[in-house]
Amino acid sequence: KAGVTQTPRYLIKTRGQQVTLSCSPISGHRSVSWYQQTPGQGLQFLFEYFSETQRNKGNFPGRFSGRQFSNSRSEMNVSTLELGDSALYLCASSWGTALNTEAFFGQGTRLTVV
Amino acid sequence: DAKTTQPNSMESNEEEPVHLPCNHSTISGTDYIHWYRQLPSQGPEYVIHGLTSNVNNRMASLAIAEDRKSSTLILHRATLRDAAVYYCILSRTSSNTGKLIFGQGTTLQVKP
Repeated sequence: KAGVTQTPRYLIKTRGQQVTLSCSPISGHRSVSWYQQTPGQGLQFLFEYFSETQRNKGNFPGRFSGRQFSNSRSEMNVSTLELGDSALYLCASSWGTALNTEAFFGQGTRLTVV
Repeated sequence: DAKTTQPNSMESNEEEPVHLPCNHSTISGTDYIHWYRQLPSQGPEYVIHGLTSNVNNRMASLAIAEDRKSSTLILHRATLRDAAVYYCILSRTSSNTGKLIFGQGTTLQVKP
């Protein structure tokens, strides 16, 4: 079956702009989580959506937001980009929750803010 | 959230077994133990998970201490493709969330 698809794979934006990243989970998966990965902070949880509802949110400013559609596809948005937002953004999907099942990760979107 | 402690790095020779340790002394009774790995330039990949009993799958084995305060991921025959960062993660089933808390992980080098 097709894996988790993230688009675009690479993105370059200017400070102050906003960006929207997309994640298509594996068919049948209802849970989608987003993570930010940087060399300094490692992998950090951003938020999780399940059946269109945000179930949990990490410790990130309000500039980071997300949503999930009825087909389980998810988007995350970052407004007023800062240089420190440069990172690899990863999306993971799972059938139920990632607690006791396998989470499948996409290859990520590499965002560079200049 | 319960914390895990892993060595920063380990080395192994190809085709030899590898034992990757993880300490989680504050684990609660409802925490699952997960292992993921991340190969260079890729997203993390699920390896194995367990609650109390030892677990085996096609990729690895997970040995969980009787008191559950530590666990060991066992790769039975390391290959060059197993060179990756390995993350030991706890998830709390009672919180009804899919949040995975990644630590710094163990970077495994496999020598030919």
